[in-house]
Amino acid sequence: DIQMTQSPSSLSASVGDRVTITCRASQGISNSLAWYQQKPGKAPKVLLYAVSRLASGVPSRFSGSGSATGYTLTISNLQPEDFATYYCQQYYSPLSITFGQGTRLEIK
Amino acid sequence: EVQLVVSGGGLEKPGRSLRLSCIVSGFTFGDYAMSWFRQAPGKGLEWVGFIRGKDYGETAEYAASVKDRFTISRDDSKSVAYLQMNSLKTEDTAVYYCARGSSSHCGGDCYSDYWGQGTLVTVSS
Repeated sequence: DIQMTQSPSSLSASVGDRVTITCRASQGISNSLAWYQQKPGKAPKVLLYAVSRLASGVPSRFSGSGSATGYTLTISNLQPEDFATYYCQQYYSPLSITFGQGTRLEIK
Repeated sequence: EVQLVVSGGGLEKPGRSLRLSCIVSGFTFGDYAMSWFRQAPGKGLEWVGFIRGKDYGETAEYAASVKDRFTISRDDSKSVAYLQMNSLKTEDTAVYYCARGSSSHCGGDCYSDYWGQGTLVTVSS
C-alpha cells in the first residue's frame, strides 16, 4: 500500500492567516492526489484534485502544489468557515486508495 | 442537483450481516464508479472499496481489511449502490459513506466528487 504522511496533525491559526498542510507519499503517485475538507458530523467535501485543480464551487483561496511524492495544500486569507479537518488522498493505486491521517485546523 | 442518500446502518452483533444502500439522483448513475468509505469514531477516513461503471464490467475492488467479507454491487435501473457486509467485526464500527467516483473506470484517475451523508454502523455484542 502507498502510505500518505500528512503534517501537521493539528494547526492553530487566525482569520486572515495563510496556512500550509503537507502530504508525503511513500512512493510516486503521478499527481493523483486530492484534498478534502471535513466538518464535524458532515461528509468530506473535495477541494482539489489532480494536485491543483479546484473542484466546482471551491474558493480560489485554496490552492495545491507538488509532484512525485510531496504535495501541499495552502489556504490563503483564512475565513471562519475554513476551520475544519483536512485530508489528502492518493488515488493513483486503484487497488488501495489511501488517505493521510488528517490535519485539524483550529481557531487561535 | 447531485444527491446521494445512504441508509441501512444500525446496531448489529459480531458475525452477523448488514446491507447498506446508496440511492443517487441528479446524474446518469451507470456512467460512474461508486465508492464506499468509512470513518471509525474519532478517526480518519478509510477507503472500503469501489465498483466500476457498466462500461468496465461493474467490477469491484476492496481494501484488504474488508476483502472476502464485504461485497459492493449496483443496480443501474434503480440508481442504487449497495455495500453488503458479512462476518461483521467490532472494528467495522464506523460511519459509512458512499461517494461518486470521478470516472467510470477508477484506474488511477478517480477521486470522489460527491458524497452521501453517511450512516453509522455499530458492531457490538
